[in-house]
Amino acid sequence: EIVLTQSQGTLSLSPGERATLSCRASQWVSSNNFAWYQQKPGQAPRLLIYGASNRATGIPDRFSVSGSGTDFTLTISRLEPEDFAVYYCQQYSTSPYTFGQGTKLEIK
Amino acid sequence: QVQLQESGPGLVNPSETLSLTCTVSGGSINSHYWSWIRQSPGKGLEWIGYIYYTGSSDYNPSLKSRVTMSLDTSKNQFSLRLSAVTAADTAVYYCARDLKGATCYDYWGQGTLVTVSS
Repeated sequence: EIVLTQSQGTLSLSPGERATLSCRASQWVSSNNFAWYQQKPGQAPRLLIYGASNRATGIPDRFSVSGSGTDFTLTISRLEPEDFAVYYCQQYSTSPYTFGQGTKLEIK
Repeated sequence: QVQLQESGPGLVNPSETLSLTCTVSGGSINSHYWSWIRQSPGKGLEWIGYIYYTGSSDYNPSLKSRVTMSLDTSKNQFSLRLSAVTAADTAVYYCARDLKGATCYDYWGQGTLVTVSS
């Protein structure tokens, strides 16, 4: 099983700042089989980006991804108030498909 | 707009079987893969498995011996059964639709909390 580690448990930033969230895989993962989600309290996760750089429907272009192999990054270029939430990475390269434990992005 | 809605008991006795159904509206179940994912404070998000409208399926090896998924195309529903539950199976259970061509999830149900307790 591929373990995904999101080492930043909590990230405290201010609106307008740039956020960089990381996710490390225990084995090589194709960037084509990697996704990021946003989850707000009481809601289901929401797909943000999948594949190498495909934004899901309605996701603004301030969200972008980079990385390959074992290290992946989600970048939010300029934080809006609605971006403060928990973010999860997911690999779907190898079954069982696994998620990171999440990074909470909170307002500083 | 595709919508998914989980239904089933919120409380299950230890050693019994958890049964949930997901009703899909706004789209046909006769396409895409359909998945179950659960979320607990201790284990985070955990993929349980998926089923395709043809009946083919794949389950998480950690749960495989206890999981059965099925579909009812006439009702546009798919279901999860998890047997021999323990307190460790207490979680919010989500049903979700796989994005075409990728095992990530573009539509989710709102989630249903299932507590295992006597």
